Amino acid sequence: DSGVTQTPKHLITATGQRVTLRCSPRSGDLSVYWYQQSLDQGLQFLIQYYNGEERAKGNILERFSAQQFPDLHSELNLSSLELGDSALYFCASSLGQAYNSPLHFGNGTRLTVT
Amino acid sequence: GIQVEQSPPDLILQEGANSTLRCNFSDSVNNLQWFHQNPWGQLINLFYIPSGTKQNGRLSATTVATERYSLLYISSSQTTDSGVYFCAVFATDKLIFGTGTRLQVFP
Repeated sequence: DSGVTQTPKHLITATGQRVTLRCSPRSGDLSVYWYQQSLDQGLQFLIQYYNGEERAKGNILERFSAQQFPDLHSELNLSSLELGDSALYFCASSLGQAYNSPLHFGNGTRLTVT
Repeated sequence: GIQVEQSPPDLILQEGANSTLRCNFSDSVNNLQWFHQNPWGQLINLFYIPSGTKQNGRLSATTVATERYSLLYISSSQTTDSGVYFCAVFATDKLIFGTGTRLQVFP
């Protein structure tokens, strides 16, 4: 058990809908990262927060947004969903920044858009 | 941007065999991590290894940052080693994953 908790485990929704994915980092970790894993794109970095502030941004679509709350949990919001958004979404956490801390991943949320 | 290449893309072994997985990266990096994604999709951090050599049981890893590569050694492989192995490098401001090596270990 990595100590990173993601909910829900599975999510099935229709095109055009909006969903929220939740992540609780390991105790003491200040950084939270979101990654998307799809069959044809591999593991793609979306966004990172450190102690409540956005620190790095990857290939995150404008339809997606995220935030990290004062208790350090994070939420990833996906809106106007398309079939191509179906993927495994991972949250990871680390004590410090990605350049000097190992990342620990949650078990992911599998999103299916129908 | 930085390119991260892993080889081989696929590896099939019989239980008990040894293997070496390679990760090449195209530019200087601040750190490198190895992960194992098991058949259930869980991503496990194996090593945080910006340079040098580390060992953890049957697994060991070596990173030669000046030559831009890292190696992951798996000795006496077991069926539970099956899955995809990813290396990830930190460049600019994010951790970038390679395309992975898919390992299948048969009894």
